[in-house]
Amino acid sequence: NAGVTQTPKFQVLKTGQSMTLQCAQDMNHEYMSWYRQDPGMGLRLIHYSVGAGITDQGEVPNGYNVSRSTTEDFPLRLLSAAPSQTSVYFCASSYVLAGENTGELFFGEGSRLTVL
Amino acid sequence: KNQVEQSPQSLIILEGKNCTLQCNYTVSPFSNLRWYKQDTGRGPVSLTIMTFSENTKSNGRYTATLDADTKQSSLHITASQLSDSASYICVVSAESGGGADGLTFGKGTHLIIQP
Repeated sequence: NAGVTQTPKFQVLKTGQSMTLQCAQDMNHEYMSWYRQDPGMGLRLIHYSVGAGITDQGEVPNGYNVSRSTTEDFPLRLLSAAPSQTSVYFCASSYVLAGENTGELFFGEGSRLTVL
Repeated sequence: KNQVEQSPQSLIILEGKNCTLQCNYTVSPFSNLRWYKQDTGRGPVSLTIMTFSENTKSNGRYTATLDADTKQSSLHITASQLSDSASYICVVSAESGGGADGLTFGKGTHLIIQP
């Protein structure tokens, strides 16, 4: 069982370049989310989705776009990378009960992004 | 505003010793509290969940407690091993509202076990 798969694991970009971080889960979870983790800041929510076709902003959404065309996939797009977006990015998924996020997040292994 | 505060920020103990990590929260209405373990370079993994009616729950050498009245939780590690070196993250779920997705994260405690 693969769980949550993120690609790429490492990426170096130049300022202004665009890229997409891929995330796929095979657990049929309705809820998926993206976080960034910076030293001393903990995990901060970027965007999340409660099902195909539904996305919403988290705590730090600026500079990032998402879409959810299928239950399995939730890509994160950086339209014009900035050095402030240097971070480790985690994708997570969770099951939903009675419309509530149960909170048991299954995380991917992370994508380390450096923007020069 | 919902908040989760963890202490200490970092902790170094000798192998075989016990330790306790703290999590204080101001999340309402409370649904559940989870402790996650994050090994270096890996994604967090859930260790245990505490609901409103639970006071203590054990998972091997890990024991979590919850005091819903004082809004405090602790994670006690017994007879620590080198593999316990990791960051431990407290995450509190609200029944509705809370963070954008109902989850509020602590910043974590970085635990180092020395041989």
